[in-house]
Amino acid sequence: DAGVTQSPTHLIKTRGQQVTLRCSPKSGHDTVSWYQQALGQGPQFIFQYYEEEERQRGNFPDRFSGHQFPNYSSELNVNALLLGDSALYLCASSAVHTGELFFGEGSRLTVL
Amino acid sequence: EDQVTQSPEALRLQEGESSSLNCSYTVSGLRGLFWYRQDPGKGPEFLFTLYSAGEEKEKERLKATLTKKESFLHITAPKPEDSATYLCAVQDSGNQFYFGTGTSLTVIP
Repeated sequence: DAGVTQSPTHLIKTRGQQVTLRCSPKSGHDTVSWYQQALGQGPQFIFQYYEEEERQRGNFPDRFSGHQFPNYSSELNVNALLLGDSALYLCASSAVHTGELFFGEGSRLTVL
Repeated sequence: EDQVTQSPEALRLQEGESSSLNCSYTVSGLRGLFWYRQDPGKGPEFLFTLYSAGEEKEKERLKATLTKKESFLHITAPKPEDSATYLCAVQDSGNQFYFGTGTSLTVIP
């Protein structure tokens, strides 16, 4: 049973560029959430997708956007990258009626 | 505002030296409290869910407990492979998760 898979694992961008990160949820899960984790910090909630719609959003600017596809996979897009966007981006999946989040290994974004 | 505070920030233990990690929280309508383990550069790995005060869960050398204001993760006779960052998270009535900043545990052989 494949767990949550994310790609790419590492990437380097420059300020002002745009990035797309991808996530496939754990088998049987229909809800995908994205988190940003800065070094030494806990994960911070970005947004959650269910039934191809953004259901909840944390305190992140509109530069952060996402999408969920019919097969439940998801993308996180960040426009106009800033140095402060450098972080580990985590995707977590869950079944809508359960609480446990299952995380992928993350995508490490470095903005130069 | 929902908040999660973990202490201590870092903990060094000798192998076999038992201890506890603390997670205190304020949340509007607790739906669940979760413990995760995170190894460097990896995603968090789910350990436990606790739903109500008085509940306890165990897994190998780890035991999690919950009161109305805090949760403890007890580590009995730890081994070096237990070294990791342990994260606590709460799920509120709006179904949103809030994470603490974690406790970095180092177990010395």
